[in-house]
Amino acid sequence: EAQVTQNPRYLITVTGKKLTVTCSQNMNHEYMSWYRQDPGLGLRQIYYSMNVEVTDKGDVPEGYKVSRKEKRNFPLILESPSPNQTSLYFCASSLWGTNEQFFGPGTRLTVL
Amino acid sequence: EDKVVQSPLSLVVHEGDTVTLNCSYEVTNFRSLLWYKQEKKAPTFLFMLTSSGIEKKSGRLSSILDKKELFSILNITATQTGDSAVYLCAVEAGYGGSQGNLIFGKGTKLSVKP
Repeated sequence: EAQVTQNPRYLITVTGKKLTVTCSQNMNHEYMSWYRQDPGLGLRQIYYSMNVEVTDKGDVPEGYKVSRKEKRNFPLILESPSPNQTSLYFCASSLWGTNEQFFGPGTRLTVL
Repeated sequence: EDKVVQSPLSLVVHEGDTVTLNCSYEVTNFRSLLWYKQEKKAPTFLFMLTSSGIEKKSGRLSSILDKKELFSILNITATQTGDSAVYLCAVEAGYGGSQGNLIFGKGTKLSVKP
């Protein structure tokens, strides 16, 4: 089944404890992206990647890192999480040039 | 600053009504405009529009883009309770051959009453 998977789906952590949210897609998509969704602010793009080893900042990259070492994986790293990073995070992928993005199920992160 | 504005923010209608959702944008290096539907989970893709005046249609949903006036509309005819969702508009901004970043509006929450 074609899909985007994220892990974990739910995470409660404390300020400053490094964490990684994994994202994997099995559709051979070149383009992958991370978003966060907050009430009243909508979906905002954090980082995106057009292919392996090619990443670029979205609108809200501060406090986040990404890597794209393999085509199928695009992990989101929070080196020192803070409470303002409490949010619902989505990973998405698409074929080059289509922007018909397939979204993962979301990761709800709470930073205490 | 690039921005995408959707209106109305919320809308309540009855089954069978026709609704029009609006999306206006100010984006440098516009590439495409997309509509997504989000129920209580991840967004799902509806349409991608790149050319003015060409209507995209899927069942009871249709959408059109006006690149001169910088807006798009999403129409839903004969609404059903299953159309209740948040509808998201997003604009892709990019350069040259690259695929750019997506800027989302805050969404329109549609509630369809039986």
